[in-house]
Amino acid sequence: QAVLTQPASLSASPGASASLTCTLRSGIDVGTYRIYWYQQKPGSPPQYLLRYRSDSDKQQGSGVPSRFSGSKDASANAGILLISGLQSEDEADYYCMVWHSSAGVFGGGTKLTVL
Amino acid sequence: EVQLVESGGGLVQPGGSLRLSCAASGFTFSSYWMSWVRQAPGKGLEWVANIKEDGSEKNYVDSVKGRVTISRDNAKNSLYLQMNSLRAEDTAVYYCGRNTGMEYWGQGALVTVSS
Repeated sequence: QAVLTQPASLSASPGASASLTCTLRSGIDVGTYRIYWYQQKPGSPPQYLLRYRSDSDKQQGSGVPSRFSGSKDASANAGILLISGLQSEDEADYYCMVWHSSAGVFGGGTKLTVL
Repeated sequence: EVQLVESGGGLVQPGGSLRLSCAASGFTFSSYWMSWVRQAPGKGLEWVANIKEDGSEKNYVDSVKGRVTISRDNAKNSLYLQMNSLRAEDTAVYYCGRNTGMEYWGQGALVTVSS
């Protein structure tokens, strides 16, 4: 079982909110991890969006709009990237990452379609 | 402005070697961990390796251990990735990034392993 699991795709309408999940493998407690989020558009390198561990330990990437925010769902053992006020330019692949056993681990990515 | 510029990519035969470089500017290079992440064509992101500010600690993904060496030259503001015994599955765009959280990414260098 992969360390991080992301849904392969998600669709949402312009102006709506999208909640992207990053589920940690059973036995790995999301509460202790910083979760990093990245956005990648076709033909471009990934861009750092934010990291989130708790409301007192979080960081927004430089120039990243506040409508991108992080949170956790402890009951689901998952990190969440919330994008509010969706815009067509938000259509992209989104990846989460954690540090686990002295190595970086990425989720498989979620393709967000805005239509 | 933070800039990371990768170079050294290209076509190499299976079993061959290649050295990637990453030139950093716009920040105090010697104060940050640095990382390499790769992306196979049409696939997701895979963390490869990282190195501590002074080079005293290095971490690798299991699939490259023993074949890949990360290094840095703080006097030259440069990061390197020496790759030996290359395999077809190493074909990817290789990105360097600042810090363990990859807050900044380069544009990437394409490595193609093929006969």
